[in-house]
Amino acid sequence: DAMVIQNPRYQVTQFGKPVTLSCSQTLNHNVMYWYQQKSSQAPKLLFHYYDKDFNNEADTPDNFQSRRPNTSFCFLDIRSPGLGDAAMYLCATSRSGQGFHGYTFGSGTRLTVV
Amino acid sequence: GESVGLHLPTLSVQEGDNSIINCAYSNSASDYFIWYKQESGKGPQFIIDIRSNMDKRQGQRVTVLLNKTVKHLSLQIAATQPGDSAVYFCAENSGTGNQFYFGTGTSLTVIP
Repeated sequence: DAMVIQNPRYQVTQFGKPVTLSCSQTLNHNVMYWYQQKSSQAPKLLFHYYDKDFNNEADTPDNFQSRRPNTSFCFLDIRSPGLGDAAMYLCATSRSGQGFHGYTFGSGTRLTVV
Repeated sequence: GESVGLHLPTLSVQEGDNSIINCAYSNSASDYFIWYKQESGKGPQFIIDIRSNMDKRQGQRVTVLLNKTVKHLSLQIAATQPGDSAVYFCAENSGTGNQFYFGTGTSLTVIP
């Protein structure tokens, strides 16, 4: 089945130690997104890739970076995780243009910072 | 049962009753809206969408109503079932890109 896969499901990292979360998709969607969702809050858009073009949200901290080496994969890099970065990180994909019907989400990676 | 979304983030209903979840959106330029359901530990799941040229859309047991004048969306779930227990989010798209911005969720609990 075509889907969005996030690995790992659970990630524990040390305060200040760089961590990378990964997302892959078999939908051949050209747009990929990263959202941060803290407990009992709505998902908050960090950035997205429209094809190879990176689009950052104005309030996304510099500590968060992303890479998209090809259509199928997108990575979220947190350069120096703080305790406040503990959250669920959701990857989503969509196809732009006609036929845009919102996102397909992955199951998320829950990040714990110790 | 009915929620006011931003002010009442929890809603409890008896199994079999109808549920109404409300959402106020912020951007008057938004022209596409989606309701998502999120179960514990999972990513959001598409329920139903509506574009701004419509004021009502029906799916299986769900109806979305859009009032552009007051920038308000509602999700109605008929004959609510225990499997409907989840957090529900509305999301808006401004039409100038593919990004969706999520509103405050409402946690729905169905009492058997």
